[in-house]
Amino acid sequence: KAGVTQTPRYLIKTRGQQVTLSCSPISGHRSVSWYQQTPGQGLQFLFEYFSETQRNKGNFPGRFSGRQFSNSRSEMNVSTLELGDSALYLCASSLGQGSTLHRYTFGSGTRLTVV
Amino acid sequence: LAKTTQPISMDSYEGQEVNITCSHNNIATNDYITWYQQFPSQGPRFIIQGYKTKVTNEVASLFIPADRKSSTLSLPRVSLSDTAVYYCLVGPMDSSYKLIFGSGTRLLVRP
Repeated sequence: KAGVTQTPRYLIKTRGQQVTLSCSPISGHRSVSWYQQTPGQGLQFLFEYFSETQRNKGNFPGRFSGRQFSNSRSEMNVSTLELGDSALYLCASSLGQGSTLHRYTFGSGTRLTVV
Repeated sequence: LAKTTQPISMDSYEGQEVNITCSHNNIATNDYITWYQQFPSQGPRFIIQGYKTKVTNEVASLFIPADRKSSTLSLPRVSLSDTAVYYCLVGPMDSSYKLIFGSGTRLLVRP
């Protein structure tokens, strides 16, 4: 079956702009989580959506937002980009409940560079 | 939330067995232990998960002692392609739990 698909793979934006990243989870998966990965901070949790509702949220400013659609596809948006937002953004999907709760399948990520 | 401690890095040679130990002294009764593997510029990949004793799959084994204050990921006969960062995570099967990754263990397999 198809894996988690993230688009675009690479993105270059200018400070102050906004960006939208997309994630298509594995078919049947209802949970989508987003992570930011940087060399200095490692993997940091942004938020999780389950059945179109934000279920968990990390410690990121309000410039970072997300949503999930009825088909479980998810988007995250970052407004007023800062240089420090340059990172690999990873999306992960899972069934979202029961014994498989921690069994995430990650996408390959979107590499965002802010200049 | 249980905090985990892993070695920052480990070196090994092809064909050897590698054991990576994770300490989680404050693990709660309802916490599970999950391990992920990450290659450069890729997302982490689920390896194995367990609650107690021993779990084995086609990729690795997970050993958990009775007190559950630590766990050991065992990779049999590693190859160069096993060079990666390995993360140990501990948490309940609770939908309010956020999967938190620590710094992980950087494993380097040499020829």
